[in-house]
Amino acid sequence: DGGITQSPKYLFRKEGQNVTLSCEQNLNHDAMYWYRQDPGQGLRLIYYSQIVNDFQKGDIAEGYSVSREKKESFPLTVTSAQKNPTAFYLCASSSDGTRYGYTFGSGTRLTVV
Amino acid sequence: AQKVTQAQTEISVVEKEDVTLDCVYETRDTTYYLFWYKQPPSGELVFLIRRNSFDEQNEISGRYSWNFQKSTSSFNFTITASQVVDSAVYFCALSGLNSGGYQKVTFGTGTKLQVIP
Repeated sequence: DGGITQSPKYLFRKEGQNVTLSCEQNLNHDAMYWYRQDPGQGLRLIYYSQIVNDFQKGDIAEGYSVSREKKESFPLTVTSAQKNPTAFYLCASSSDGTRYGYTFGSGTRLTVV
Repeated sequence: AQKVTQAQTEISVVEKEDVTLDCVYETRDTTYYLFWYKQPPSGELVFLIRRNSFDEQNEISGRYSWNFQKSTSSFNFTITASQVVDSAVYFCALSGLNSGGYQKVTFGTGTKLQVIP
């Protein structure tokens, strides 16, 4: 079955460490996105990529980095520069910009300990 | 600038009651798309419906129905005869079809629906 796989489901990070969240899709979608979800807030866009080897900052990119070396993969690194990284992170993909909606992964819950 | 407002933070209903989730949006685009997503406790957002700005026909899918009114910039979602499995957070979203290659999607803050058996 086609879909988006995010791993790990839960992740714990010590302060000052970088961590990488994985996102893999087998839908042959060109565009991929990373969102952050905090309690009581909507989804906020971190980074997006419309094609391989290209990505753009979203609304809250500070403290995060991404790469898009393969169409199927769009990993997100949460760096030590992100001061409040505890959140739920969702990866999404789409085939035609945003006109047809997104397919989402099941998310990664990151906690700083 | 785009904005999506879901004024209802949490709603509780007893099973079999009807419930309407409100969504009000703001956009300067003449062509845009509206979406509803469901987020069950498992966390994954599930796509429910998409409407474009030129199609104001209401839609019904089983127990779900959507009322799109451009005059009031609203895209409300009604669940008829609610069930416990409907308990989730529901997000309304807006996508603008503008130039520049990226069509920004703006999400509302979500409405948490609890259906009590």
